[in-house]
Amino acid sequence: GAVVSQHPSWVICKSGTSVKIECRSLDFQATTMFWYRQFPKQSLMLMATSNEGSKATYEQGVEKDKFLINHASLTLSTLTVTSAHPEDSSFYICSATGTGNQPQHFGDGTRLSIL
Amino acid sequence: GIQVEQSPPDLILQEGANSTLRCNFSDSVNNLQWFHQNPWGQLINLFYIPSGTKQNGRLSATTVATERYSLLYISSSQTTDSGVYFCAVRWAGGGNKLTFGTGTQLKVEL
Repeated sequence: GAVVSQHPSWVICKSGTSVKIECRSLDFQATTMFWYRQFPKQSLMLMATSNEGSKATYEQGVEKDKFLINHASLTLSTLTVTSAHPEDSSFYICSATGTGNQPQHFGDGTRLSIL
Repeated sequence: GIQVEQSPPDLILQEGANSTLRCNFSDSVNNLQWFHQNPWGQLINLFYIPSGTKQNGRLSATTVATERYSLLYISSSQTTDSGVYFCAVRWAGGGNKLTFGTGTQLKVEL
């Protein structure tokens, strides 16, 4: 089946640091990638949608200058949390899909803890 | 936007028991997926089922798109089935985005 690799799986860093998370589709071309955030005991909330070679589309309430998304190739998207603060601590998950009405395939997530 | 509600929110089962999880959605959908999120946070894709019935081992799922619901059946539950079960839908007004349901927290005890 389709495989999506997300790295790193766990990050602990100081407040004010910028953190980059990578999401790769290993065996298919991901025309669209998605970034989600999940707080404890809650569901997944979509942050943004990125299409290869285009600017990301952010959901309402998500700061695009805070969460920088790049989708420069059909196999890689990155999410950079800039100047992270403790309230940005969360579980971030990416997913990827190909063209047409295809299912989304998810990475294993990144636990981000800002001290 | 679309509303996706799951029931029950919490469920405790004895090992070997059967259960049915429900996912209701408020608008027409063209894609529905069921996921199991394990205690480490990994999302396991169980079914891609915009309509009809599918079975995979002890799990099966049915989506009745015209009545806006989907069911996930777990038979002969095992402790490894514990975790959170999410349904997620793609609807006509949302482009290719998935909207996740509220989740069902399942605990299977010995």
